[in-house]
Amino acid sequence: EVQLLESGGGLVQPGGSLRLSCAASGFTFSSYAMTWVRQTPGKGLEWVSSISGGGGGTFYADSVKGRFTISRDSSKNTLYLQMNSLRAEDTAVYYCAKGFLLFDFWGQGTLVTVSS
Amino acid sequence: DVVMTQTPLSSPVTLGQPASISCRSNQSLVHSDGNTHLSWLQQRPGQPPRLLIYKASNRFSGVPDRFSGSGAGTDFTLKISRVEAEDVGIYYCMQTTQFPRTFGQGTKLEIK
Repeated sequence: EVQLLESGGGLVQPGGSLRLSCAASGFTFSSYAMTWVRQTPGKGLEWVSSISGGGGGTFYADSVKGRFTISRDSSKNTLYLQMNSLRAEDTAVYYCAKGFLLFDFWGQGTLVTVSS
Repeated sequence: DVVMTQTPLSSPVTLGQPASISCRSNQSLVHSDGNTHLSWLQQRPGQPPRLLIYKASNRFSGVPDRFSGSGAGTDFTLKISRVEAEDVGIYYCMQTTQFPRTFGQGTKLEIK
């Protein structure tokens, strides 16, 4: 059974940093691209970033480019999202999802709140 | 960016009756690989999104056959043949043909 478990969310001040993790199980992690998607009440679902199975290809939304870094550790079956220079508009539930052209499994999400 | 527009934004439906949601993109979703990467997601209250349909018309594993997807190019439709109580939630279309991946605004399905 595929399972994705996000962690690392919390309250952070504007300009601060946070690293999200997504622990994956139930599939061959290194064989699949992975994706981060966030959800806010006002803006709905927003694609944030994707990474290829081998980690060599990374893709970002313009809204986070230069501030967020996606990475993966296949020895730990874990996906990461390093978030720097956080802004109020980054406040959202962050989901990790398996896939690149289709997102077939989603985690439960972790809430990130950027506020002073 | 590809803009995805869903209609209606809210759909009150009687149990056992059909429901239909439309999704339009402002650009063709035909990928260079020949496929149309349009997916439909369901989000039940308090739950993460769940994949229902991929490549416009392929039902994902475990999805009841009352759900079907159709369409091509820029016009797509999700149909539920007979709505059940567990279908309440928000439905999103999503394109992964181009970067950035983009989503529709969501359609809230509720029971009359």
